[in-house]
Amino acid sequence: DIQMTQSPSSLSASVGDRVTITCRASQSITQYLNWYQQKEGKAPKVVIYGASSLQTGVPSRFTGSGSGTEFTLTISSLQLEDFATYYCQQSYSMPYTFGQGTRLDIK
Amino acid sequence: QVQLVESGGGLVKPGGSLRLSCAASGFTFDDYYMTWIRQAPGKGLEWISYISGLNSHRDYADSVKGRFTISRDNAKNLVHLEMNSLRVDDTAVYFCARRVGATTDDRFDIWGQGTGVTVSS
Repeated sequence: DIQMTQSPSSLSASVGDRVTITCRASQSITQYLNWYQQKEGKAPKVVIYGASSLQTGVPSRFTGSGSGTEFTLTISSLQLEDFATYYCQQSYSMPYTFGQGTRLDIK
Repeated sequence: QVQLVESGGGLVKPGGSLRLSCAASGFTFDDYYMTWIRQAPGKGLEWISYISGLNSHRDYADSVKGRFTISRDNAKNLVHLEMNSLRVDDTAVYFCARRVGATTDDRFDIWGQGTGVTVSS
């Protein structure tokens, strides 16, 4: 199985900050990488797919980059509604696997 | 609108069984693969099963293989997860999700609200 490792596990930031979350895959997954946002008690929501494509309806302050084994999710100017847990997920091969999550909270 | 609604969760004893259902609406159901993903309390997400649109393909995570069975009823826009020989570590919120995309755009784009399963004596 492909292991996905996110860093950091948690992050404190302020409204207006630029933040970056990293996801590493245990083998190359080319660009088969998705990012999900999950708020407390809610279902996850896809924000980035195919490593860098913005899901419809997601604000443009979210950007994704990377290929192979290393990927990043950047939020350019944090808004209150962005504080949540973020997960990366590979769709390169079954079983699809997720990173352990990065909790983003307010400083 | 496009929606998934899960049901069937609850409290069950170890070794017991439970059947989860997910009702889909707002899209052509049999055009899509459907999946189940779970989240143990305070933990991350775990993909556990998928089924193709026309029932021809399905797969399971090793953690549930041989105990869980996924099925779908395209006439009723339902997907089910039959869970047998339940263990304490199956305790989780179970999400139904629609899988979309064919290559690098393969993702889970619509999720239900989840249904809770607690396995405890």
